[in-house]
Amino acid sequence: DGGITQSPKYLFRKEGQNVTLSCEQNLNHDAMYWYRQDPGQGLRLIYYSQIVNDFQKGDIAEGYSVSREKKESFPLTVTSAQKNPTAFYLCASNEEGREEQFFGPGTRLTVL
Amino acid sequence: QKEVEQDPGPLSVPEGAIVSLNCTYSNSAFQYFMWYRQYSRKGPELLMYTYSSGNKEDGRFTAQVDKSSKYISLFIRDSQPSDSATYLCATARSNFGNEKLTFGTGTRLTIIP
Repeated sequence: DGGITQSPKYLFRKEGQNVTLSCEQNLNHDAMYWYRQDPGQGLRLIYYSQIVNDFQKGDIAEGYSVSREKKESFPLTVTSAQKNPTAFYLCASNEEGREEQFFGPGTRLTVL
Repeated sequence: QKEVEQDPGPLSVPEGAIVSLNCTYSNSAFQYFMWYRQYSRKGPELLMYTYSSGNKEDGRFTAQVDKSSKYISLFIRDSQPSDSATYLCATARSNFGNEKLTFGTGTRLTIIP
């Protein structure tokens, strides 16, 4: 089955720690995205990548970092510089020439 | 002002009713419109995708776009308890691919059996 997988489903972090969220897709999509979802605020774009070894900041990139070494993978690191990291993180991808994005199941990060 | 406005609800309707969900947007450059359904603690699932003005129907779901008033709607006929979810509208300016989507905040819908 083609799709997007995210791991882990739940993640707990102590303040001051960096954590990395995994996102993998086997849809052969060129573009991948990371969003953050908070109650009442909808989806906010953190980073996106249109091609391997290239990525751009979204609207709320501060405190986050990404890499795109393979077409299938787009991991997100939440650094200790992110002041309010507790949220639901969603990875998405889309096909070149199409606007609709397809989402993974999400990772819920909680900072203790 | 947000580029896409959506009433957060919550909205509760009895089973079998017709549901109307709506968004307004301010940027006239938006041409592509999507509706996503998101169950609690899950990722959003694409329901409908439309281009420019007009209607698109898929089973019990109808998406409607009125670009003159910058208004988009999703209608659900014969609503079922399984339709209980949060519904997100999303827009894009072009179809060049890799375009950022602008999302509404979502409307939480509950269908009462």
